[in-house]
Order: sequence, then structure tokens, then C-alpha cells
Amino acid sequence: LAKTTQPISMDSYEGQEVNITCSHNNIATNDYITWYQQFPSQGPRFIIQGYKTKVTNEVASLFIPADRKSSTLSLPRVSLSDTAVYYCLVGDSNDYKLSFGAGTTVTVRA
Amino acid sequence: EPEVTQTPSHQVTQMGQEVILRCVPISNHLYFYWYRQILGQKVEFLVSFYNNEISEKSEIFDDQFSVERPDGSNFTLKIRSTKLEDSAMYFCASSWGQPDTEQYFGPGTRLTVT
Repeated sequence: LAKTTQPISMDSYEGQEVNITCSHNNIATNDYITWYQQFPSQGPRFIIQGYKTKVTNEVASLFIPADRKSSTLSLPRVSLSDTAVYYCLVGDSNDYKLSFGAGTTVTVRA
Repeated sequence: EPEVTQTPSHQVTQMGQEVILRCVPISNHLYFYWYRQILGQKVEFLVSFYNNEISEKSEIFDDQFSVERPDGSNFTLKIRSTKLEDSAMYFCASSWGQPDTEQYFGPGTRLTVT
């Protein structure tokens, strides 16, 4: 299972773009990169998933360079309600479990 | 939007007692999971369930734990003899396809063992 490393915390202000980079140096060929969000006392919520290049949905964008050894989750124009813990996960379709690390606590201030 | 539901939201029990945590996964989902999160710690995988059997379990999921899908809608986690260290938030999740598809998490059950 590829190990991931991401910053423990990040601070931002409303309206700014937040970029969280995750390192996964030993990612395997079949591995996907997935990001989840968790608010206090709630279950994690899927944000986005990708394999390579760029993926965008209505919530975020995920940038994955060609070597796939890292990925960056981009949250455009954050609001106070985006304050949460963001988890980067790497795994393949044969791996039933999601392996969460400590995540990145993003705090958005007014 | 369909969602995973869990009951109860909070369960208080005494050490040594049995508890059953209940979950109703999203109706067309085929894969079911339990995770737990001890206060202030990371989310930990317990077990996955597919086609009426356990597909994977973690070291945490010892003989004290069991899962069941007693009917077409419910998915339960039973802890036979609770310990103080079982106090945690327990999250149920489900997905329609293989594990690399999105897992939908429920709101959790906070279990407090006294």
C-alpha cells in the first residue's frame, strides 16, 4: 500500500484558492488517488478521484503530474464551510479498505 | 440524494455488554464497510462485506466483532463484550462497485463504553 504524506494543517481566508499537495512516492501502476473530506463528528465524504493528469468536478480539481508521485487537490474560492480535514488516499481496485492517514486540517477564516 | 443511515446516533453501554450498531446502506449498493474513529485519531478500517461474506478485515476486527446483513436492507456490527477501548465513532459505508469507487459514509454512531 502506497504511503501518503500531506501537510498537517493549512490556513486560508474566504475567497482564496487552497492547494493541498500529497506525496505518494511508491504509488503502484494500478493505484488511483482519491481525496475525502471530513467535518467534525461526521463521516468522510468523497471529493474527487483520479489516475493521471487533471480531473475537475463541481467541488474541486485534482492535478496529477506524469510521474504520479504526488497529487494536488485544489479548492477554488473557499468559504468558511470548507473548514475540514482533507485526506489523500492511494489504493487499487483489489484493495477493499480505505486507508486514512492523519489528513490535512484546513481552516478557513473570514 | 440517497444516503447511508445509522442508528443509534449515540450508544452508551457498560463494559462487558453486547452492542449492535445498525446501518442502512444505499439501496443499490453491493459493498458494505465498517470503520471506526477514536476521538482525535484517524479513521480506521474494520471490515468489508460483499456477497454475504466478509471480503477483508483488519487486525482490529477480532473475535469480539461480527457483521451481518440480516435482510435486504440492514447491515449490522456487533461487539460481543465491549471494552473501554471500543469507545469511538463507528462509521458504516457502502459503495456500488469495486473498492476504488466512491464509498458513501453514514453519519456515525458514537459508542461510549463506561
